[in-house]
Amino acid sequence: NAGVTQTPKFRVLKTGQSMTLLCAQDMNHEYMYWYRQDPGMGLRLIHYSVGEGTTAKGEVPDGYNVSRLKKQNFLLGLESAAPSQTSVYFCASLTDTQYFGPGTRLTVL
Amino acid sequence: GQQVMQIPQYQHVQEGEDFTTYCNSSTTLSNIQWYKQRPGGHPVFLIQLVKSGEVKKQKRLTFQFGEAKKNSSLHITATQTTDVGTYFCAVTYNFNKFYFGSGTKLNVKP
Repeated sequence: NAGVTQTPKFRVLKTGQSMTLLCAQDMNHEYMYWYRQDPGMGLRLIHYSVGEGTTAKGEVPDGYNVSRLKKQNFLLGLESAAPSQTSVYFCASLTDTQYFGPGTRLTVL
Repeated sequence: GQQVMQIPQYQHVQEGEDFTTYCNSSTTLSNIQWYKQRPGGHPVFLIQLVKSGEVKKQKRLTFQFGEAKKNSSLHITATQTTDVGTYFCAVTYNFNKFYFGSGTKLNVKP
């Protein structure tokens, strides 16, 4: 039981490049979340999903897209990366509590 | 949008001293969760409070939910160096959509 895993762990992009962050959970959880965390701040919800095939916007969805084609996977896409998207990205899945992945540290130059 | 205020932003204590962090909302909450994040790590769930006036304890940690379900506190008795980290509250207003406080960073001097 690996819990929640995220790939990649680190990534450096140039402005305008695209990339996809993958979150996978093996706990059969319905709810999954993508957050970003900036220095000295709490986590801000980007998008979330209440089940396979469904997604919804969170607090800061602009510049991001998501997909939940399979229950165990939740993908976060950046179509055209901007320096303001430099952050640490956390994925989480939920039963009564949120189980967080280890995070992806993204730098956009 | 919904906001939750968490104070203080930082707390430096001597080992053995107590520590308290507070979360406040202007709107009634459905529930509140508390998380701890060690430097370089990910948030780890501590507790969930659901009922008005609820008090829960975990060893040296005491969690309270206000009677009006608009505020909560986390109190650590006799801090230890292993308590170092940032403590976050996460609240929901409509179930399953979470808003995090900005966190309280705790530093414990041995």
